[in-house]
Amino acid sequence: GAVVSQHPSRVICKSGTSVKIECRSLDFQATTMFWYRQFPKKSLMLMATSNEGSKATYEQGVEKDKFLINHASLTLSTLTVTSAHPEDSSFYICSARDLDRVIGTSGSYEQFFGPGTRLTVL
Amino acid sequence: GENVEQHPSTLSVQEGDSAVIKCTYSDSASNYFPWYKQELGKRPQLIIDIRSNVGEKKDQRIAVTLNKTAKHFSLHITETQPEDSAVYFCAAKSGEYGNKLVFGAGTILRVKS
Repeated sequence: GAVVSQHPSRVICKSGTSVKIECRSLDFQATTMFWYRQFPKKSLMLMATSNEGSKATYEQGVEKDKFLINHASLTLSTLTVTSAHPEDSSFYICSARDLDRVIGTSGSYEQFFGPGTRLTVL
Repeated sequence: GENVEQHPSTLSVQEGDSAVIKCTYSDSASNYFPWYKQELGKRPQLIIDIRSNVGEKKDQRIAVTLNKTAKHFSLHITETQPEDSAVYFCAAKSGEYGNKLVFGAGTILRVKS
C-alpha cells in the first residue's frame, strides 16, 4: 500500500521558536496533501489543504501566517509552526492523496495518513 | 459546509458481541464515506469505505450501511475481539467537487474479554 512518512515524530521546543514538520509520500505522487491537528481524545481537524506548486487553502480560523505550508514537490509538503506557543502543542498529522487510486466515480482519491508528529511547546 | 456527527462517543461491548457506530452528515452532495480506526498515538487507518451509489458494503466482520435520504451511515462490527478496541472515526467527503474529508468526533470502542 501507499506509505506516508512524517518527520520528526516528536519535537519539543521553546516558546517563540519555529518548528518545521515534513510530510512525504514515499511510493506515490501526491498533488494534494492535507494537514490535520488532533488534540488528545479529540477528532482530526483539517487545518489546510496543500497543493503542489500553488498556495495552500486554509480552513476557517487557521492563521496562515502562523502555520506556513509549502508543497514544493509531488512527494513533499512541509508545515512550519512559527513563533510556537504552548497552545500550539498538539498532534499534527498529514495525509496524502494517491493519484492512481481513484475510488469509483466519486472523484475521491484514497487518502493515506502519516504517523503524526507530537509537538510540545514549553 | 459539511458537518458530521458521530454517536456514541464511547462504546463498551463484550467480546463476541456486535458494535454499531452511527454518523450523520449535513451536505447532501457528499458522496464518499470512509471509516478509520486509530489506535493510541498512531495514524488513522482506513478500514472500510462506501460511496453514495451503494447502500451497503461488507468486508469480513465489518460492514457499513448508508442511507442517503436520511443522510446517515453506520459501521457494524460483528464478533468483536479485544484487538478491535480503538477509536473509530467516520468521515464524509465535503461537497460534490470537494476533496477534503470532514471527520466525526470519534467513538472509543472497548471490547472486554
